Amino acid sequence: NAGVTQTPKFRILKIGQSMTLQCTQDMNHNYMYWYRQDPGMGLKLIYYSVGAGITDKGEVPNGYNVSRSTTEDFPLRLELAAPSQTSVYFCASSYRPESSPLHFGNGTRLTVT
Amino acid sequence: SQELEQSPQSLIVQEGKNLTINCTSSKTLYGLYWYKQKYGEGLIFLMMLQKGGEEKSHEKITAKLDEKKQQSSLHITASQPSHAGIYLCGNPGGGADGLTFGKGTHLIIQP
Repeated sequence: NAGVTQTPKFRILKIGQSMTLQCTQDMNHNYMYWYRQDPGMGLKLIYYSVGAGITDKGEVPNGYNVSRSTTEDFPLRLELAAPSQTSVYFCASSYRPESSPLHFGNGTRLTVT
Repeated sequence: SQELEQSPQSLIVQEGKNLTINCTSSKTLYGLYWYKQKYGEGLIFLMMLQKGGEEKSHEKITAKLDEKKQQSSLHITASQPSHAGIYLCGNPGGGADGLTFGKGTHLIIQP
């Protein structure tokens, strides 16, 4: 069972570069999420989607963009990377978040220097 | 916005001892999820509590939800090295925007 798959696992970017973090799930979940985790700060929601073609901002969306063209994929785009975006990024999916758990990928560790 | 406060922030326990982690909400809890994270890895779902007074157990881990106190507790009996990691509580909030998480409790088990 693949579940939620994130790529890459690690990445180092230079300031001003761009990249896309990939996330795919094979559970046919409509709800998908992007969180970032910083030391001592817990997880903060960046963007979420309730289905293909529908996305919405979370708590910390600045500097990021997302798209949801299919049920399976929910890529996160970083434009003009900044050191403040150094973090661990987690993608998650759920059948129904208020009554069923979120399933998380293994994360992408991003360093911007 | 809702905040979840976890206590303690970190905990060092001798192997075989019992321990309790608490998660307190600033607002009404519509449910509470507990996750475990091993260092450098993703979050693993442990348990979901949906009603006040609900208690669930899995192996040596028991979680309770006290709706009136807006609090949940996670209790580990006879701790083992495999219990080490970061424990996070998350509240669904009733909407589509996923979970609001606490900052986590770092658990270290000393042999």
